[in-house]
Amino acid sequence: QKEVEQNSGPLSVPEGAIASLNCTYSDRGSQSFFWYRQYSGKSPELIMSIYSNGDKEDGRFTAQLNKASQYVSLLIRDSQPSDSATYLCAVRVYDYKLSFGAGTTVTVRA
Amino acid sequence: GAGVSQSPSNKVTEKGKDVELRCDPISGHTALYWYRQRLGQGLEFLIYFQGNSAPDKSGLPSDRFSAERTGESVSTLTIQRTQQEDSAVYLCASSRDNSGANVLTFGAGSRLTVL
Repeated sequence: QKEVEQNSGPLSVPEGAIASLNCTYSDRGSQSFFWYRQYSGKSPELIMSIYSNGDKEDGRFTAQLNKASQYVSLLIRDSQPSDSATYLCAVRVYDYKLSFGAGTTVTVRA
Repeated sequence: GAGVSQSPSNKVTEKGKDVELRCDPISGHTALYWYRQRLGQGLEFLIYFQGNSAPDKSGLPSDRFSAERTGESVSTLTIQRTQQEDSAVYLCASSRDNSGANVLTFGAGSRLTVL
């Protein structure tokens, strides 16, 4: 079983819609969770971090964490063409190590 | 420096040659990581440094891969006798320390193509 799994893409949404990205992880002891955005040919950049159960909102982005279900999600509201990218879910599996999912590619159609 | 610097940005080499990839982390960051990203895939952990020590080398794919870090700063990833399956983007990241909430900042990566 992979440490971090993301829903397969690609995901295509119309401009202004909500994009919903899902991620599950295998290590029940994980405490830190991150979403990175990666534009084509660029390095990943952190957009959200979440450590407690529930929702965390930052602008148009909302991260949701459910530790009991070992589930993390990212919602992008009012999707814009500039949101078109690959979104990587990352889970801290030891004190120092981030394990990444394979990524979900999002395309926002104008 | 202001960000994580990696060089070269692109490297094309012939099968069997050795390559060295360099990473210059953010000044003061004690933790340094190397990841590999094959085309269309996620990030694969290679090695972690805390200071100049590498407590976790578990992701290095074979003994052809090695890495070192000196002066708690620059790190070099060396791939000996390159193979075509080594073609990938090699990403370096650093963080202030290894605490659980600390975030990684990535460099732009070194794209390696083995012909």
